[in-house]
Amino acid sequence: EVQLLESGGGLVQPGGSLRLSCAASGFTFSNYAMSWVRQAPGKGLEWVSVVSGTGGSTDYADSVKGRFTISRDNFKNKLYLQMNSLRAEDTAVYFCARQDSIAAVGVIDYWGQGTLVTVSS
Amino acid sequence: HLVLTQSPSASASLGASVKLTCTLTSGHSSYAIAWHQQQPEKGPRYLMKVNSDGSHSKGDGIPDRFSGSRSGAERYLTISSLQSEDEADYYCQTWGTGTVFGGGTKLTVL
Repeated sequence: EVQLLESGGGLVQPGGSLRLSCAASGFTFSNYAMSWVRQAPGKGLEWVSVVSGTGGSTDYADSVKGRFTISRDNFKNKLYLQMNSLRAEDTAVYFCARQDSIAAVGVIDYWGQGTLVTVSS
Repeated sequence: HLVLTQSPSASASLGASVKLTCTLTSGHSSYAIAWHQQQPEKGPRYLMKVNSDGSHSKGDGIPDRFSGSRSGAERYLTISSLQSEDEADYYCQTWGTGTVFGGGTKLTVL
């Protein structure tokens, strides 16, 4: 059974940093690209970032480019999102998601339950 | 510029059928999309992928009541024999320069 378990969310001040983690199990982690998707309170889904199965290709939404960094550890079966220079508008539930291909493209076919990030003073 | 357009809301009666629509922008009518369901206070759940030829492949455990189809640039999610637990937000998703989501349709089961 595919499982994605996010952690690392919490309350952080504007300008601060936070690192999210996603522990994956139930599949060969390195065979799949992985994404982070967020959802602000009462809003729709917004894609944040994607990394290919090898980790060699990444992409970011314009709203986070230069501030967030996605990475993965295929030995530990973990996905990460380093978030710097956080803003109030980054407040959201962050979901870890599996793409259906090794390349950084394709549809999402599994989701985690999410971790809440609140940026506030 | 790739955009997915969904109606903000839809409603149908318990036991009836409903067809939700996701429209791809002009020039992107050959793209495959995925449908995701998000029940209140829960994370999203993958329902199915609808390919450019109209074929679809469903996620694990998705009931036969859920089906997908297409016509031109439109992709459809049909839910038959509506149940109360089908009341949820439904999002379509594809990829171009990054992953793209539609704005979501809030389905109310009357």
